[in-house]
Amino acid sequence: GAVVSQHPSWVICKSGTSVKIECRSLDFQATTMFWYRQFPKQSLMLMATSNEGSKATYEQGVEKDKFLINHASLTLSTLTVTSAHPEDSSFYICSASVWGGNSPLHFGNGTRLTVT
Amino acid sequence: KQEVTQIPAALSVPEGENLVLNCSFTDSAIYNLQWFRQDPGKGLTSLLLIQSSQREQTSGRLNASLDKSSGRSTLYIAASQPGDSATYLCAVTSIRKTSYDKVIFGPGTSLSVIP
Repeated sequence: GAVVSQHPSWVICKSGTSVKIECRSLDFQATTMFWYRQFPKQSLMLMATSNEGSKATYEQGVEKDKFLINHASLTLSTLTVTSAHPEDSSFYICSASVWGGNSPLHFGNGTRLTVT
Repeated sequence: KQEVTQIPAALSVPEGENLVLNCSFTDSAIYNLQWFRQDPGKGLTSLLLIQSSQREQTSGRLNASLDKSSGRSTLYIAASQPGDSATYLCAVTSIRKTSYDKVIFGPGTSLSVIP
Protein backbone atom coordinates (compact mmCIF):
# COMPACT_ATOMS: atom_id res chain seq x y z
CA GLY A 1 0.00 0.00 0.00
CA ALA A 2 0.93 3.64 -0.35
CA VAL A 3 3.15 4.93 2.44
CA VAL A 4 3.68 8.52 3.47
CA SER A 5 6.57 9.24 5.80
CA GLN A 6 6.64 12.39 7.89
CA HIS A 7 9.70 13.62 9.75
CA PRO A 8 10.30 14.49 12.49
CA SER A 9 7.54 12.89 14.55
CA TRP A 10 8.04 15.45 17.27
CA VAL A 11 10.10 18.59 17.72
CA ILE A 12 10.64 21.13 20.49
CA CYS A 13 12.03 24.50 19.54
CA LYS A 14 12.54 27.89 21.07
CA SER A 15 10.39 30.86 20.20
CA GLY A 16 11.74 32.76 17.21
CA THR A 17 13.42 29.82 15.51
CA SER A 18 12.27 28.07 12.33
CA VAL A 19 11.30 24.45 12.01
CA LYS A 20 11.12 22.34 8.86
CA ILE A 21 8.84 19.32 8.54
CA GLU A 22 9.25 16.85 5.71
CA CYS A 23 6.61 14.75 4.03
CA ARG A 24 7.69 11.99 1.68
CA SER A 25 5.72 9.53 -0.43
CA LEU A 26 7.81 6.39 -0.27
CA ASP A 27 6.35 4.11 -2.91
CA PHE A 28 4.33 6.36 -5.17
CA GLN A 29 4.57 9.72 -6.85
CA ALA A 30 2.34 12.34 -5.32
CA THR A 31 1.26 15.12 -7.61
CA THR A 32 -0.80 16.69 -4.84
CA MET A 33 0.09 17.13 -1.18
CA PHE A 34 -1.93 18.66 1.61
CA TRP A 35 -0.85 20.11 4.94
CA TYR A 36 -3.19 20.04 7.90
CA ARG A 37 -3.07 21.38 11.41
CA GLN A 38 -4.86 19.77 14.30
CA PHE A 39 -5.45 21.27 17.73
CA PRO A 40 -6.11 18.97 20.71
CA LYS A 41 -9.44 17.19 20.44
CA GLN A 42 -10.31 19.01 17.24
CA SER A 43 -10.51 17.95 13.66
CA LEU A 44 -8.01 18.61 10.92
CA MET A 45 -7.85 22.07 9.43
CA LEU A 46 -6.53 22.30 5.90
CA MET A 47 -3.69 24.79 5.72
CA ALA A 48 -2.59 24.54 2.12
CA THR A 49 -2.61 22.45 -1.02
CA SER A 50 0.36 22.07 -3.30
CA ASN A 51 1.00 20.47 -6.65
CA GLU A 52 4.50 19.53 -7.64
CA GLY A 53 6.34 22.34 -9.36
CA SER A 54 3.84 25.07 -8.56
CA LYS A 55 3.09 27.40 -5.71
CA ALA A 56 0.99 26.22 -2.83
CA THR A 57 -2.62 27.35 -2.48
CA TYR A 58 -3.18 28.56 1.05
CA GLU A 59 -6.51 28.49 2.85
CA GLN A 60 -8.03 31.68 4.12
CA GLY A 61 -6.44 32.83 7.33
CA VAL A 62 -3.19 30.91 6.87
CA GLU A 63 -0.14 33.16 6.62
CA LYS A 64 1.94 32.33 3.56
CA ASP A 65 5.08 33.94 4.96
CA LYS A 66 4.66 32.13 8.24
CA PHE A 67 4.12 28.66 6.85
CA LEU A 68 6.37 28.12 3.86
CA ILE A 69 5.50 25.15 1.69
CA ASN A 70 7.75 23.70 -0.95
CA HIS A 71 6.76 20.77 -3.18
CA ALA A 72 10.01 20.41 -5.06
CA SER A 73 9.56 16.87 -6.32
CA LEU A 74 6.90 14.21 -6.77
CA THR A 75 7.97 12.53 -3.55
CA LEU A 76 8.79 15.39 -1.19
CA SER A 77 6.96 18.35 0.29
CA THR A 78 8.24 20.48 3.16
CA LEU A 79 6.50 22.79 5.59
CA THR A 80 8.66 25.39 7.31
CA VAL A 81 7.23 27.19 10.31
CA THR A 82 9.17 30.46 10.37
CA SER A 83 9.81 32.50 13.52
CA ALA A 84 7.80 30.04 15.55
CA HIS A 85 5.77 31.20 18.55
CA PRO A 86 4.06 29.21 21.30
CA GLU A 87 0.70 29.59 19.55
CA ASP A 88 2.15 27.64 16.61
CA SER A 89 2.41 24.59 18.85
CA SER A 90 0.18 21.98 17.29
CA PHE A 91 0.00 18.65 15.49
CA TYR A 92 0.85 18.99 11.81
CA ILE A 93 -0.13 16.23 9.38
CA CYS A 94 0.60 15.90 5.70
CA SER A 95 -1.21 13.82 3.16
CA ALA A 96 -0.55 12.89 -0.42
CA SER A 97 -2.49 11.60 -3.36
CA VAL A 98 -1.51 10.51 -6.82
CA TRP A 99 -3.98 12.55 -8.80
CA GLY A 100 -6.09 14.50 -6.35
CA GLY A 101 -9.75 14.30 -7.18
CA ASN A 102 -10.75 10.66 -7.12
CA SER A 103 -7.55 9.41 -5.57
CA PRO A 104 -7.61 8.33 -1.92
CA LEU A 105 -5.57 10.27 0.58
CA HIS A 106 -2.60 8.73 2.33
CA PHE A 107 -1.46 10.33 5.56
CA GLY A 108 1.81 10.67 7.38
CA ASN A 109 1.96 9.98 11.12
CA GLY A 110 2.10 13.65 11.97
CA THR A 111 4.57 15.97 13.67
CA ARG A 112 4.01 17.26 17.19
CA LEU A 113 5.50 20.76 17.36
CA THR A 114 6.06 22.41 20.73
CA VAL A 115 7.38 25.95 20.82
CA THR A 116 8.72 27.08 24.19
CA LYS B 1 -18.70 26.56 1.15
CA GLN B 2 -18.51 22.89 2.04
CA GLU B 3 -19.21 22.04 5.67
CA VAL B 4 -18.94 18.59 7.17
CA THR B 5 -20.56 17.55 10.43
CA GLN B 6 -20.54 14.30 12.35
CA ILE B 7 -22.98 12.88 14.84
CA PRO B 8 -22.56 11.84 17.57
CA ALA B 9 -19.48 13.67 18.84
CA ALA B 10 -18.78 10.81 21.24
CA LEU B 11 -20.11 7.31 21.64
CA SER B 12 -19.55 4.62 24.25
CA VAL B 13 -20.82 1.09 23.66
CA PRO B 14 -20.29 -2.34 25.20
CA GLU B 15 -18.22 -4.83 23.26
CA GLY B 16 -20.13 -6.78 20.64
CA GLU B 17 -22.66 -4.12 19.75
CA ASN B 18 -23.29 -2.95 16.23
CA LEU B 19 -23.07 0.81 15.80
CA VAL B 20 -23.58 3.56 13.25
CA LEU B 21 -21.64 6.77 12.84
CA ASN B 22 -23.11 9.60 10.80
CA CYS B 23 -21.54 12.19 8.52
CA SER B 24 -23.30 15.04 6.73
CA PHE B 25 -22.02 17.48 4.14
CA THR B 26 -23.63 20.58 2.65
CA ASP B 27 -22.34 20.58 -0.95
CA SER B 28 -23.06 17.51 -3.05
CA ALA B 29 -20.41 18.41 -5.65
CA ILE B 30 -17.86 15.91 -4.40
CA TYR B 31 -15.43 13.45 -5.93
CA ASN B 32 -15.51 11.07 -3.04
CA LEU B 33 -15.99 10.59 0.67
CA GLN B 34 -13.46 8.85 2.85
CA TRP B 35 -13.65 7.46 6.38
CA PHE B 36 -10.55 7.53 8.55
CA ARG B 37 -9.54 6.28 11.94
CA GLN B 38 -7.24 8.26 14.22
CA ASP B 39 -5.69 6.92 17.41
CA PRO B 40 -4.60 9.48 20.04
CA GLY B 41 -1.49 11.41 18.99
CA LYS B 42 -1.25 9.50 15.72
CA GLY B 43 -1.85 10.11 12.07
CA LEU B 44 -4.83 8.91 10.10
CA THR B 45 -5.57 5.45 8.78
CA SER B 46 -7.83 5.20 5.78
CA LEU B 47 -10.75 2.82 6.31
CA LEU B 48 -13.02 3.18 3.30
CA LEU B 49 -13.24 5.36 0.22
CA ILE B 50 -16.54 5.81 -1.60
CA GLN B 51 -16.52 7.44 -5.01
CA SER B 52 -19.36 9.83 -5.77
CA SER B 53 -20.90 7.32 -8.19
CA GLN B 54 -20.96 4.55 -5.58
CA ARG B 55 -23.50 3.88 -2.86
CA GLU B 56 -21.47 1.78 -0.44
CA GLN B 57 -18.17 0.12 0.31
CA THR B 58 -17.40 -2.76 2.63
CA SER B 59 -14.26 -3.91 4.36
CA GLY B 60 -14.46 -6.65 6.95
CA ARG B 61 -16.74 -5.50 9.76
CA LEU B 62 -17.04 -2.02 8.28
CA ASN B 63 -19.65 -0.83 5.83
CA ALA B 64 -19.93 2.73 4.60
CA SER B 65 -22.84 4.12 2.61
CA LEU B 66 -23.16 7.33 0.63
CA ASP B 67 -26.27 9.27 -0.34
CA LYS B 68 -24.84 12.16 -2.26
CA SER B 69 -28.15 13.83 -3.02
CA SER B 70 -29.03 14.16 0.66
CA GLY B 71 -25.43 14.86 1.70
CA ARG B 72 -25.12 11.91 4.06
CA SER B 73 -22.84 9.02 4.77
CA THR B 74 -22.92 6.39 7.47
CA LEU B 75 -20.22 4.12 8.78
CA TYR B 76 -21.55 0.86 10.19
CA ILE B 77 -19.33 -1.16 12.50
CA ALA B 78 -20.46 -4.69 13.23
CA ALA B 79 -19.65 -6.63 16.39
CA SER B 80 -17.58 -3.85 17.92
CA GLN B 81 -14.33 -4.67 19.73
CA PRO B 82 -12.24 -2.71 22.26
CA GLY B 83 -9.61 -2.30 19.55
CA ASP B 84 -12.12 -0.25 17.57
CA SER B 85 -11.83 2.53 20.15
CA ALA B 86 -10.54 5.61 18.32
CA THR B 87 -11.74 8.81 16.70
CA TYR B 88 -13.46 8.32 13.36
CA LEU B 89 -13.29 11.11 10.82
CA CYS B 90 -15.11 11.50 7.56
CA ALA B 91 -13.70 13.68 4.81
CA VAL B 92 -15.13 14.83 1.50
CA THR B 93 -13.15 15.83 -1.55
CA SER B 94 -15.02 18.78 -3.00
CA ILE B 95 -14.87 19.71 -6.65
CA ARG B 96 -13.52 23.19 -7.07
CA LYS B 97 -13.68 24.75 -10.48
CA THR B 98 -11.08 27.44 -9.94
CA SER B 99 -8.56 25.72 -7.70
CA TYR B 100 -7.25 22.38 -6.64
CA ASP B 101 -9.56 19.79 -5.18
CA LYS B 102 -10.21 20.43 -1.52
CA VAL B 103 -10.57 17.86 1.21
CA ILE B 104 -12.70 18.91 4.16
CA PHE B 105 -12.84 16.94 7.38
CA GLY B 106 -15.65 16.54 9.84
CA PRO B 107 -15.01 17.09 13.55
CA GLY B 108 -14.91 13.37 14.25
CA THR B 109 -16.73 10.89 16.48
CA SER B 110 -14.83 9.60 19.49
CA LEU B 111 -15.70 5.92 19.95
CA SER B 112 -15.09 3.94 23.10
CA VAL B 113 -15.83 0.22 23.13
CA ILE B 114 -16.03 -1.13 26.65
CA PRO B 115 -14.87 -4.72 27.27
